[in-house]
Amino acid sequence: AQSVTQLDSQVPVFEEAPVELRCNYSSSVSVYLFWYVQYPNQGLQLLLKYLSGSTLVKGINGFEAEFNKSQTSFHLRKPSVHISDTAEYFCAVTDYNQGGKLIFGQGTELSVKP
Amino acid sequence: EAGVTQFPSHSVIEKGQTVTLRCDPISGHDNLYWYRRVMGKEIKFLLHFVKESKQDESGMPNNRFLAERTGGTYSTLKVQPAELEDSGVYFCASSQVTGFNEKLFFGSGTQLSVL
Repeated sequence: AQSVTQLDSQVPVFEEAPVELRCNYSSSVSVYLFWYVQYPNQGLQLLLKYLSGSTLVKGINGFEAEFNKSQTSFHLRKPSVHISDTAEYFCAVTDYNQGGKLIFGQGTELSVKP
Repeated sequence: EAGVTQFPSHSVIEKGQTVTLRCDPISGHDNLYWYRRVMGKEIKFLLHFVKESKQDESGMPNNRFLAERTGGTYSTLKVQPAELEDSGVYFCASSQVTGFNEKLFFGSGTQLSVL
């Protein structure tokens, strides 16, 4: 069975500092990986996704993630965060046959302080 | 274009009462999903409609939950009777294309509190 682990429930960081949100997955089949963001009082928005090809994926708002098959990881990074990046971030996985049936991690609250 | 809308945004009910949550997907989206997040835990899949048909309801927790999608448009999720452990945020999502390249659009969720 597939599962997703987000290693940090909360990540506090100062504005303009780099950040990495960690995500590990387990699956016995080829997977597709996603990062979603939820800003306060809003729905989840897709930040980026990995389907195939280059292991470095660039998303919106300056975020990127790297797919590492040997380490079964899909960590999210941003070189310099802004106050507006304060939100909850979710890593998710699915496989070819499941489409929109996503398996989510527990979420990571990113808090950017001035 | 309107996004996925959910009603109500918040609902507070007592144990044993009935609550109905509604989701209006993006027009033209055949796929509709319900997810739930119990406090502090991961978001979990509940079920998937394709048009008016239930494609996959493997995530529904028990028979107190009933989902419908009349005419393949909006969907309702009824909890009857509600229990304390049903508290959480219920998300709805819709998509146009099924498969690995499917892009989900999520609503803001309904925060359900059962007292």
